[in-house]
Amino acid sequence: EADIYQTPRYLVIGTGKKITLECSQTMGHDKMYWYQQDPGMELHLIHYSYGVNSTEKGDLSSESTVSRIRTEHFPLTLESARPSHTSQYLCASSDLTGANNEQFFGPGTRLTVL
Amino acid sequence: QQQVKQSPQSLIVQKGGISIINCAYENTAFDYFPWYQQFPGKGPALLIAIRPDVSEKKEGRFTISFNKSAKQFSLHIMDSQPGDSATYFCAASLVLYNQGGKLIFGQGTELSVKP
Repeated sequence: EADIYQTPRYLVIGTGKKITLECSQTMGHDKMYWYQQDPGMELHLIHYSYGVNSTEKGDLSSESTVSRIRTEHFPLTLESARPSHTSQYLCASSDLTGANNEQFFGPGTRLTVL
Repeated sequence: QQQVKQSPQSLIVQKGGISIINCAYENTAFDYFPWYQQFPGKGPALLIAIRPDVSEKKEGRFTISFNKSAKQFSLHIMDSQPGDSATYFCAASLVLYNQGGKLIFGQGTELSVKP
């Protein structure tokens, strides 16, 4: 079944730790995105990718980094987590050739940095 | 100029009533206007979308009304049901390769439908 997966779903970690949030999709989509969403608030784009070896910064500045070595995989890394990084992180993907721009979202990772 | 403004922030509607959520945009180059529905603990999911060449699109109980001259669009949920209780986000984007199809989201509306 074509889908988009995020792990872990919940993560509580101490300040200074390095973390990687995983995102994988089985739809063969070229475009992938990372959004940051505080509870009940709007989504802010922090990273996106057109395809393998393509990464771009989004509209909201973020200390995280991303990589795109395989089409289906778009992990996000924080080298040194801080309490200000506490948020929900949503991964999404879309078809580069689609006439519209429907983005398919994963379930999100809720990150808490103590 | 990239903002999308959404109102109201929260909405309470009785079962069977009509829910109306409004959005306004500034960038006249936007050419794709979707609405996403998000349940607690889930990622947003596309509900319905419209392009600016039509003024209305209906899918079941959900209708988008689009006013290009006013740069506004709205979501109408007819015969609202408790299962419609969720957070709704409007969005806008440029469907151009060099823009990456980035979606600009509104602030969200938390809808509660009372039985």
